[in-house]
Amino acid sequence: GEDVEQSLFLSVREGDSSVINCTYTDSSSTYLYWYKQEPGAGLQLLTYIFSNMDMKQDQRLTVLLNKKDKHLSLRIADTQTGDSAIYFCAEKKTSYDKVIFGPGTSLSVIP
Amino acid sequence: DAGVIQSPRHEVTEMGQEVTLRCKPISGHNSLFWYRQTMMRGLELLIYFNNNVPIDDSGMPEDRFSAKMPNASFSTLKIQPSEPRDSAVYFCASSGDRVFNYGYTFGSGTRLTVV
Repeated sequence: GEDVEQSLFLSVREGDSSVINCTYTDSSSTYLYWYKQEPGAGLQLLTYIFSNMDMKQDQRLTVLLNKKDKHLSLRIADTQTGDSAIYFCAEKKTSYDKVIFGPGTSLSVIP
Repeated sequence: DAGVIQSPRHEVTEMGQEVTLRCKPISGHNSLFWYRQTMMRGLELLIYFNNNVPIDDSGMPEDRFSAKMPNASFSTLKIQPSEPRDSAVYFCASSGDRVFNYGYTFGSGTRLTVV
């Protein structure tokens, strides 16, 4: 398809792990990103992964990339109420292309 | 670094009025992007500039919208005349050289309400 796809909503209990999934458009996309948007704020780059990597870990965040299936996931360990936000998956095909954003997944963390 | 600065944060205007949104990118960044966010359509890229030159304006909805970047430190998005369907949050973002791939830095947005 032409669009980056994400499920729109996810609800988890505080302390559990959250997994947000994304399907992107082009298996040759070189740069893949996760952005976080808190209420009333702009998007903030959370993490990124290049296509020559399968996994990237940064503290509580783990990004997994499956290039064959064009699937990207973001796992948040020990999810906290402060993690409640909208998470955007995004791709960039080459250095000179613009970034294409998904619709965002709204994560709700239940205390 | 103060980040990307947008003004105003909120704007309420009457239908038919002219609206001007302003953006100051991060110093040294040479690409600037204007996005619109609504519940219905999500995040839409309106236009982007590289080295102050408009590169892609295919997302600009119609002739009522115009954007300028007179210098590396300032850009405006103008809507004239405004309509209620223009109500949205408008974001400005900037990034370094086009081969610098560590993503965009977004401003806090301008929430526009047209009544």
